[in-house]
Amino acid sequence: QLQLQESGPGLVKPSETLSLTCTVSGGSISSSPYSWAWIRQPPGKGLEWIANIYYSGDSYYNPSLKSRVTISADTSRNQFSLKVSSVTAADTAVYYCARGAPSLGIDYWGQGTLVTVSS
Amino acid sequence: DIQMAQSPSSLSASVGDKVTITCRASQSISTYLHWYQQRPGEAPKLLIYAASSLQSGVPSRFSGSGSGTDFTLTISGLQPEDFAAYYCQHTYNTPWTFGQGTKVEIK
Repeated sequence: QLQLQESGPGLVKPSETLSLTCTVSGGSISSSPYSWAWIRQPPGKGLEWIANIYYSGDSYYNPSLKSRVTISADTSRNQFSLKVSSVTAADTAVYYCARGAPSLGIDYWGQGTLVTVSS
Repeated sequence: DIQMAQSPSSLSASVGDKVTITCRASQSISTYLHWYQQRPGEAPKLLIYAASSLQSGVPSRFSGSGSGTDFTLTISGLQPEDFAAYYCQHTYNTPWTFGQGTKVEIK
């Protein structure tokens, strides 16, 4: 059974960089046709797709965040990561890592981790 | 970007009711449309993929239909555990966008 687990600081100061890692177990992040995604949800609000990265290394970003976001993968550790720079209070959210494919939807999700941006 | 308009934003229903939620895309997305259920404090759960395919392990009272721009999620015989938020999402191209959600509440 595939499992995803987010890790990283729960509190980040304004203007700093938010860094999260997703550790995948029970399967390889190098498997086709899947991509590995980050999605966030501000408290009490809806879901926002941030970025995803494929086994090929190709990555895609939400244009609304692209200038501040980097997604990367470490196949040797079976992990992928997210960095969001210059954070503000508007970046406060539960961040989910997940597996998805265009024709299959997002079928596995991590439990989510709350990141609060505050001084 | 393709926008997803979901309706209604909330509804009240009773156990046993049939519930229908609609999702409209701002342009044709073929059948690259998926439905998720999210209970409070939990991660979203995939219910329907590719507009009408039931995800493994999901009860058959959930069904989806549509193609192009108009899609429907139907719950036939609402159960107590179905009171939750539901989201549609497209994966036709990036950015993958979600509808704003529909909250299904107990009447």
